[in-house]
Amino acid sequence: AQTVTQSQPEMSVQEAETVTLSCTYDTSESDYYLFWYKQPPSRQMILVIRQEAYKQQNATENRFSVNFQKAAKSFSLKISDSQLGDAAMYFCAYIIIQGAQKLVFGQGTRLTINP
Amino acid sequence: DSGVTQTPKHLITATGQRVTLRCSPRSGDLSVYWYQQSLDQGLQFLIQYYNGEERAKGNILERFSAQQFPDLHSELNLSSLELGDSALYFCASTLTGASYNEQFFGPGTRLTVL
Repeated sequence: AQTVTQSQPEMSVQEAETVTLSCTYDTSESDYYLFWYKQPPSRQMILVIRQEAYKQQNATENRFSVNFQKAAKSFSLKISDSQLGDAAMYFCAYIIIQGAQKLVFGQGTRLTINP
Repeated sequence: DSGVTQTPKHLITATGQRVTLRCSPRSGDLSVYWYQQSLDQGLQFLIQYYNGEERAKGNILERFSAQQFPDLHSELNLSSLELGDSALYFCASTLTGASYNEQFFGPGTRLTVL
């Protein structure tokens, strides 16, 4: 079965601190892409960061970085120097390269930033 | 603003009714995806179209249907609505429909079935 598990329904962090959101996934495919999406109260789905499974180097986008462990099927998101605007639901997702071009999402983690 | 538009933003209707949700992809994008976000099921892929043809199908109920028109806009038709169909329906678009293309999401249509 193709599944994504986000074990932390809610997380909170102090402004300017660092927080890590966890994600594990299950797929029998070897070629896929992994994503973190952010959904603020506006409901808009915004791509935060993307990782190609064939790349060993972890992706980074400014304050956002991932820890990708392919063998463990783990894909965590680290947010450094947290800002109030980072408060949102965060969804981990993947898409396989061959076959159905669909994103498979986790249930999400609600991140609260405390001022 | 992703460039993907969805109408209407909100829709309130009664059980047993039929509704149509509309999506206009980003300029130049050929592929459209529909997703359903509900409290109990989370975000689930419904269906994908590429240049007017169905490309992939996910957990889409038989009461639901979709199509993509020659101008590339897409419509999702939901019929015989049930309370459980209340959800946020997203449309996303990509240039070619390939996995490496980023999916740009619209703002969603909030459907409430009473």
